Amino acid sequence: AQTVTQSQPEMSVQEAETVTLSCTYDTSESDYYLFWYKQPPSRQMILVIRQEAYKQQNATENRFSVNFQKAAKSFSLKISDSQLGDAAMYFCAYRVLIGNQGGKLIFGQGTELSVKP
Amino acid sequence: GAVVSQHPSWVICKSGTSVKIECRSLDFQATTMFWYRQFPKQSLMLMATSNEGSKATYEQGVEKDKFLINHASLTLSTLTVTSAHPEDSSFYICSANGGQGAPEQYFGPGTRLTVT
Repeated sequence: AQTVTQSQPEMSVQEAETVTLSCTYDTSESDYYLFWYKQPPSRQMILVIRQEAYKQQNATENRFSVNFQKAAKSFSLKISDSQLGDAAMYFCAYRVLIGNQGGKLIFGQGTELSVKP
Repeated sequence: GAVVSQHPSWVICKSGTSVKIECRSLDFQATTMFWYRQFPKQSLMLMATSNEGSKATYEQGVEKDKFLINHASLTLSTLTVTSAHPEDSSFYICSANGGQGAPEQYFGPGTRLTVT
């Protein structure tokens, strides 16, 4: 069975500094997708970044980038120049795409990130 | 694009009554929608997968007769909590597959249910 593990329940970063959130997963599939979602206090889930397993290049979205290590089944999120608005719960998620419908999203336990001014 | 709405955002109901939560895809068609439940400071727990025009697929341990799901159109799925009890109080979130085979899911803003 596929599982996603986030081993850091809480993290803290100083404003303008860089922080890395860890995520590991377990799967026997070779083709899948990985995501980082952000859930601020409003509880609206927001897609931060996605990575296709077949792509070797790490995904980047502005201040957010990932370190995707397929062999190690590791998918960490780096937030550069942290801002107060980055404070939120961050969820790592895995998904196998089945045809055009998409399989289930499997979430990690979440990491609560606080940003200190 | 890819906006998902939920209604209501917050509902209080009395024990024993039923409550319906709507999930709509506003600017795209969603043949598949998902319903999650989330407790404070915890992750999202998938309850069921809702398929347009067919029966929902429930996750193990989720009571089908208690959590009724209907996906009657390509833009609307509903979750009805029947005979609600205080332990059903939770935050319920729906999501939909991104349009045109996109792999990400887009989430509604959630519904806070309080059963008194």
